[in-house]
Amino acid sequence: KQEVTQIPAALSVPEGENLVLNCSFTDSAIYNLQWFRQDPGKGLTSLLLIQSSQREQTSGRLNASLDKSSGRSTLYIAASQPGDSATYLCAVVRGEGETSGSRLTFGEGTQLTVNP
Amino acid sequence: NAGVMQNPRHLVRRRGQEARLRCSPMKGHSHVYWYRQLPEEGLKFMVYLQKENIIDESGMPKERFSAEFPKEGPSILRIQQVVRGDSAAYFCASSPPNFSGNTIYFGEGSWLTVV
Repeated sequence: KQEVTQIPAALSVPEGENLVLNCSFTDSAIYNLQWFRQDPGKGLTSLLLIQSSQREQTSGRLNASLDKSSGRSTLYIAASQPGDSATYLCAVVRGEGETSGSRLTFGEGTQLTVNP
Repeated sequence: NAGVMQNPRHLVRRRGQEARLRCSPMKGHSHVYWYRQLPEEGLKFMVYLQKENIIDESGMPKERFSAEFPKEGPSILRIQQVVRGDSAAYFCASSPPNFSGNTIYFGEGSWLTVV
């Protein structure tokens, strides 16, 4: 059974800092891994998707890496801003693809606060 | 192209009543997923449906919960005889018919409060 763990559970940083959020998963047979952002009372916004054959993806100030063999992913946020304050969720899709569709297993999330 | 639409956004039910949550997937998407987020917890998979078929319901509670995705109309998650522990945010997501590992899209969620 796939389990996804995110560390830390909460993080508070001053504006401008670079930071790293960690995600680990127990079953390396994944199809892809995604990082999402969730604002309070809102749905999920996809930030980055890494296919199992890829090592990293970048979008603006965000960079996500994937080490499938060790079951780890990191989300790097450069020059953090107060608007980055949200909960960040890591999720994996199982390797069977068609039979499981895009069914996601989520971590518990990291609640990030960026202080002005 | 409208995103995944969920309604109602907020629903209050008394214990023992029924709750019906609706989800209209993105245009062209025929795969729908329901997730539940209990207070202070992460999102948990409930059910995966394609048009007129339940593909995977391994995350659904055995009693009182059911889901459907008819040929016409939205997907519906139905909770009968609600209890306080059903209070949660219920999220729907959709993906295209040809699975290619693309990003799936989430709705804004339906917040159920059982009083």
